[in-house]
Amino acid sequence: AQSVTQLDSHVSVSEGTPVLLRCNYSSSYSPSLFWYVQHPNKGLQLLLKYTSAATLVKGINGFEAEFKKSETSFHLTKPSAHMSDAAEYFCVVSDAVRREGFQKLVFGTGTRLLVSP
Amino acid sequence: NAGVTQTPKFRILKIGQSMTLQCAQDMNHNYMYWYRQDPGMGLKLIYYSVGAGITDKGEVPNGYNVSRSTTEDFPLRLELAAPSQTSVYFCASSYSFGQETATIGYTFGSGTRLTVV
Repeated sequence: AQSVTQLDSHVSVSEGTPVLLRCNYSSSYSPSLFWYVQHPNKGLQLLLKYTSAATLVKGINGFEAEFKKSETSFHLTKPSAHMSDAAEYFCVVSDAVRREGFQKLVFGTGTRLLVSP
Repeated sequence: NAGVTQTPKFRILKIGQSMTLQCAQDMNHNYMYWYRQDPGMGLKLIYYSVGAGITDKGEVPNGYNVSRSTTEDFPLRLELAAPSQTSVYFCASSYSFGQETATIGYTFGSGTRLTVV
């Protein structure tokens, strides 16, 4: 069974400092991994995805994530936080192959990123 | 280019009332999904559909019903509202083909915030 653990429920950074949001996954098969962002009262927006190509994945708004199979991790990073980055971030895992007729997504519980001036 | 449109955005229901959450997508996606998001939790799959006329249960289907008469629309029905159904509901769609998953990811609506009192 697939699962995702987001290691921090809240992360606080100052504007201009690096961001690190941690995610560990468990999957029996070759996983696809995603990071989604949710701004207050908004829907979820795809930040980036890993699908067995390059292990370092670049996404929108300067975010990137590195797939490390040996550590079963897919941490999200950004060199310099901006106030507009304050949001909820979800790490999501899925099988690369549909085994149940659809691409089942398993969501982590989310990490709230707080950015102070 | 509307994407996934959900209505209403907010609703308060009394216990035992019924309502339908509407969801429409204009991207010709074959797969559609309904999720609920409870505070501090990731998204849980309620129902999904792999095409018009085909629906199936997700992780938490009790108390809900769905239908998919067209590719574009995927309404979610609550027959007898209960306080446990207080949540934020997200509709999503994706395009998948063949045995390998498409790497497009999901497109989410902006959500419906439902309170049952």
